[in-house]
Parts: sequence; structure tokens; C-alpha cells
Amino acid sequence: NAGVMQNPRHLVRRRGQEARLRCSPMKGHSHVYWYRQLPEEGLKFMVYLQKENIIDESGMPKERFSAEFPKEGPSILRIQQVVRGDSAAYFCASSRPGRTASRETQYFGPGTRLLVL
Amino acid sequence: GNSVTQMEGPVTLSEEAFLTINCTYTATGYPSLFWYVQYPGEGLQLLLKATKADDKGSNKGFEATYRKETTSFHLEKGSVQVSDSAVYFCALSEGGSEKLVFGKGTKLTVNP
Repeated sequence: NAGVMQNPRHLVRRRGQEARLRCSPMKGHSHVYWYRQLPEEGLKFMVYLQKENIIDESGMPKERFSAEFPKEGPSILRIQQVVRGDSAAYFCASSRPGRTASRETQYFGPGTRLLVL
Repeated sequence: GNSVTQMEGPVTLSEEAFLTINCTYTATGYPSLFWYVQYPGEGLQLLLKATKADDKGSNKGFEATYRKETTSFHLEKGSVQVSDSAVYFCALSEGGSEKLVFGKGTKLTVNP
């Protein structure tokens, strides 16, 4: 059973460009979460999605960041007009649906390391 | 709001030494508690978890007990190996909220 897949693993962008990060959840998982890890910091929650729905985006910056999880295909985290402060590791996690969803374990992908020049 | 505080690193030990990494939490309800491990250049792997008070999570020789009275979930291992060198993250998720709240991580280095 393949784990959570993320691509690209490394992404270099110049200031002002767009970054698109992809996440394919584990088979059977319909919940996707995005987290950001700044250097020497823990992970910070960004957004929680289910198929075609954003459930909680309380950790997303108000501007330039967006996320989607379409009916078909991977989840996408999109960062427009990137700035140097966006340089970080972005991790996706997935979990299966459950009666008490918050009790379901989140499984993490290997991350995308974004570097903004 | 909910928060997790774990001991500052880095921690350096010799092989076969005893390991403790302290973790305390603040939560308004009854969280589930987790330890994740991150090896260099990789994503996080779930190490162990506990979902209610007095539960003990264990895996690969690591243990942690959910202590509601002290709001703690300290990670322990009796005899560490070089291969245990990694960053360890304590985290919580609270019923009704899907997001994980992480501590800052503790870097462990085990020398031969």
C-alpha cells in the first residue's frame, strides 16, 4: 500500500512566481491536511480538506495561498507571487474517514522543500 | 488555545543510554496525543499514540504514557541506538478539531 506521495520533492522559485505543490493521499484516505515547517520549527497546520471541500483553513495565510482537493486527482497547495518568507518544507498528511475523525491517525508524505530565491 | 511544549534540544546520548524527552500540553478538552519521528530529509512517521488518560503507547522500544493529572506525555526508551538519531515531535489533536498541534521538536543524536 503506497504511502502519501508528494511532488515535487524540491522546488525552486524566484520571487513573484507561482508554486504548485501536489499531494496524493494513501489509498482509501479521503481527508488531506497541509502543514508548513519553517527552519528549526515544528509543523504548523495550514488547511484541512475533504474531497471537493475545504473543512478548516484557519492556518492559511489570507493572501496568495489556496488549496483544493478535487474529486479526481491530487490535492494542490498553490502559492502565488512567492516571497522569500515562503521558503519552508510543506508536508501533506492524509487520514481515512471515521466516526470520530479526529481520532484517525494522520500519515505524512515526504514533503516538498520550497526555496524562494 | 491548544499548545504543546517539549524539551529543548539538542540531546546527545551514547548508545545504550536511557532516553527521556519531556512533553506537556494545554488543551480545553480530551486530546489524543502522539509522538512523531522525522529522520533527516524525510517526512514525519508516527511513532506511537494514546487516545485517553492512562493509555500507554509503545513502538520500537519507545513508550509514552498519557498522564491527564500532569498533562504530560513523556517519551522514553531504555536503550537508544545510533539509528534512533532523528527529530522527535510531540503533538495533540482534540476531539472536534482535525488539526494536529505540534511541539517544536527535539533533535536527538546518538553516538556509538
